[in-house]
Amino acid sequence: DAKTTQPTSMDCAEGRAANLPCNHSTISGNEYVYWYRQIHSQGPQYIIHGLKNNETNEMASLIITEDRKSSTLILPHATLRDTAVYYCIVRVDPGGSQGNLIFGKGTKLSVKP
Amino acid sequence: NAGVMQNPRHLVRRRGQEARLRCSPMKGHSHVYWYRQLPEEGLKFMVYLQKENIIDESGMPKERFSAEFPKEGPSILRIQQVVRGDSAAYFCASSKIPYEQYFGPGTRLTVT
Repeated sequence: DAKTTQPTSMDCAEGRAANLPCNHSTISGNEYVYWYRQIHSQGPQYIIHGLKNNETNEMASLIITEDRKSSTLILPHATLRDTAVYYCIVRVDPGGSQGNLIFGKGTKLSVKP
Repeated sequence: NAGVMQNPRHLVRRRGQEARLRCSPMKGHSHVYWYRQLPEEGLKFMVYLQKENIIDESGMPKERFSAEFPKEGPSILRIQQVVRGDSAAYFCASSKIPYEQYFGPGTRLTVT
């Protein structure tokens, strides 16, 4: 799986959009970009994933650049409850046996009132 | 639809004892993953199981650790002869197909 690079930490004002970047310059054509988050001491929570097109769900939007070397997770209206560590993970469509997620250090997002 | 359930949530063991951690996957999910998170560190993959089969145990320590996912019942992560370095949060995740994994609340193991 390709390596990802994320900023160590970011701050965001409550109610504003939080834009979390991720670099994955060695991504290959069959690798997906996944985002998870871990709120303090809880189990990680799936947010969204995509291959090449932008994706949106009830939690967030995922913008992937045309060359797929980077992506941005957007939380449109951040709340205090969005304070968490956000993980960007690249993995191959696992049709076979490679099912594990490789978590890096992630970005610690602090949403401030 | 209940989420992934893990029990116990907190487990205290003395050095040398055995620890058994249980994970009940979401309904309809037949893939289970175990991860370990040491204090102040990221999550590390341990083992991936399907019903009655270990698919990938590349992250499991070679000794003292074992995992199973029987045809009936929860998945069990077993740690024999625990040591202080085993103190960590152990998370289980499940998926219906190997895509999105849904995580449980974790079991916090403390070895005294």
